[in-house]
Amino acid sequence: EDQVTQSPEALRLQEGESSSLNCSYTVSGLRGLFWYRQDPGKGPEFLFTLYSAGEEKEKERLKATLTKKESFLHITAPKPEDSATYLCAVQAVKSGYSTLTFGKGTMLLVSP
Amino acid sequence: DSGVTQTPKHLITATGQRVTLRCSPRSGDLSVYWYQQSLDQGLQFLIQYYNGEERAKGNILERFSAQQFPDLHSELNLSSLELGDSALYFCASSGRGALGEKLFFGSGTQLSVL
Repeated sequence: EDQVTQSPEALRLQEGESSSLNCSYTVSGLRGLFWYRQDPGKGPEFLFTLYSAGEEKEKERLKATLTKKESFLHITAPKPEDSATYLCAVQAVKSGYSTLTFGKGTMLLVSP
Repeated sequence: DSGVTQTPKHLITATGQRVTLRCSPRSGDLSVYWYQQSLDQGLQFLIQYYNGEERAKGNILERFSAQQFPDLHSELNLSSLELGDSALYFCASSGRGALGEKLFFGSGTQLSVL
């Protein structure tokens, strides 16, 4: 069974204090790893897709990286508006169709 | 705004009742997904439709059913509701449901079963 584990569950940072969120996964036949951001009371919003080990993608203060067993979301000099829950999901093919399995997320709070 | 519309935003009902959640996908998207989100389980995949046909099933209970109509909107029907069904229900859509396609999520329906 595909498993996605995110750590830490919650993270509190001061504005400007860089850190990383971890997503470790166990999946047969990974086809893609997705990062989403979810604000309270809203649906997840797409951030990145990574397809192969060694791949990196950046967007503003966020950089996502991928290895064969885990992905990291690096947050550089975060601002209060970066506060949200960050979700990781892995995509695989099962019985001819694609499945997307989400982790439980890391709740990030950035204080001014 | 993701372009995915879900109604209603909030639903309060009693145990044993039946409710219908509605989703309109982004314009042009053929694939619709339903997810359930609770504090302890996270986002759980329920079911996927593509152009009116069921494509994939996840952890969907027999008391739950869904369909996608010719105009591509979808409905999730929840019956014989139990307290444990209280959760946020999200609909998402994508173009063709192909590998690597990102999902666009609606704002969800918060279901409270009392």
